[in-house]
Amino acid sequence: QVQLQESGPGLVKPSQTLSLTCTVSGGSISSGGYYWSWIRQHPGKGLEWIGYIYYSGSTYYNPSLKSRVTISVDTSKNQFSLKLSSVTAADTAVYYCARATLDSSRAFDIWGQGTMVTVSS
Amino acid sequence: SSELTQDPAVSVALGQTVRITCQGDSLRSYYASWYQQKPGQAPVLVIYGKNNRPSGIPDRFSGSSSGNTASLTITGAQAEDEADYYCNSRDSSGNHLYVFGTGTKVTVL
Repeated sequence: QVQLQESGPGLVKPSQTLSLTCTVSGGSISSGGYYWSWIRQHPGKGLEWIGYIYYSGSTYYNPSLKSRVTISVDTSKNQFSLKLSSVTAADTAVYYCARATLDSSRAFDIWGQGTMVTVSS
Repeated sequence: SSELTQDPAVSVALGQTVRITCQGDSLRSYYASWYQQKPGQAPVLVIYGKNNRPSGIPDRFSGSSSGNTASLTITGAQAEDEADYYCNSRDSSGNHLYVFGTGTKVTVL
């Protein structure tokens, strides 16, 4: 079965760029049929969709973060990545990668375990 | 962007039925998906589309929708159903924009 695993630094300094990678196993990003997503959850709070990418490289971002977000895909490694620039303490959160279906439901059907990122000097 | 509003907390006696609601304008156009999240764990999809359950989700979970309100019903709640539940849908303003509900803490008594 398809599994997702986030990786990256757990601590980022203010004003720097947060970089995370999601490795997909048990299935190929290149096969299409899904959007590959990033979602975050501030401590004790709800979920926030950051954006997603299709295997072709088409990206869609939450307008509230669009100026700072870049999502990319490396089909050769079966990975996709998140970069969030100019971070502040408000970007401290658990970051999840997730798979979104292409059908009308657009449900996030598979999630990674999440990785906590703290923004602090 | 749209908002999805949920009651902060509900409780249910073991074996009884509980309904969790989610309200928002986007639900007039799109079905909600529902996620269960236990402490320290990632969310798990429990309902999507009109009323579909992913493989492995017990049939005590069901979904419905009317107007601007989507509902998740747990019929015969079990102790392991105690968790936070979030609804989610596409935003009414765009095809590639998603919103999540504020979350409901379900306590099984």
